[in-house]
Amino acid sequence: DAGITQSPRYKITETGRQVTLMCHQTWSHSYMFWYRQDLGHGLRLIYYSAAADITDKGEVPDGYVVSRSKTENFPLTLESATRSQTSVYFCASSDIAPWVYNEQFFGPGTRLTVL
Amino acid sequence: ELKVEQNPLFLSMQEGKNYTIYCNYSTTSDRLYWYRQDPGKSLESLFVLLSNGAVKQEGRLMASLDTKARLSTLHITAAVHDLSATYFCAVDTGEESGNTPLVFGKGTRLSVIA
Repeated sequence: DAGITQSPRYKITETGRQVTLMCHQTWSHSYMFWYRQDLGHGLRLIYYSAAADITDKGEVPDGYVVSRSKTENFPLTLESATRSQTSVYFCASSDIAPWVYNEQFFGPGTRLTVL
Repeated sequence: ELKVEQNPLFLSMQEGKNYTIYCNYSTTSDRLYWYRQDPGKSLESLFVLLSNGAVKQEGRLMASLDTKARLSTLHITAAVHDLSATYFCAVDTGEESGNTPLVFGKGTRLSVIA
């Protein structure tokens, strides 16, 4: 399917386990982003990537790891999940460099529950 | 640090009425984005405003940008139930020196009632 997809859509895990959320886009967009959405906080940026092998921290990066070996994939790993990481995670991508135009397109989201 | 504030955060309005959602931001920017999110769904791009005085309209929604006041408005005309959703504004500083990811407001949850 064309566009941006995330998997899994729902995940329940336990405290201390490692979890990887996948994001895949078919547009060949250069930029990709990970956000978490929590009630009362809106969307907060976790990590972003300008291109393959280039990543940078966002507002709330602690406890998360990202990689980007291929342009189309941007996995997000929770190395040791904590209850505070229970959230809805959105992946997004954008085409043109942010300093020109920065409309981002969002994936469907992954609802993660950490017990 | 760029901060984006929306108000109101919750809005219940009657069908057929008009209302405005406000988005204020703290640093210079001439690029602002409005998104819509339905319950349990992803974010959908509504408007992209790229200059001072920009105005975009689609259906019953109209967005405008005043960069001098650091303010964008989303005006709803003659609300209908289908407009019930959460609306987010997002801003980037447009700096050429580096990447500037979007900073989102906390969203305005709109409920249109009969």
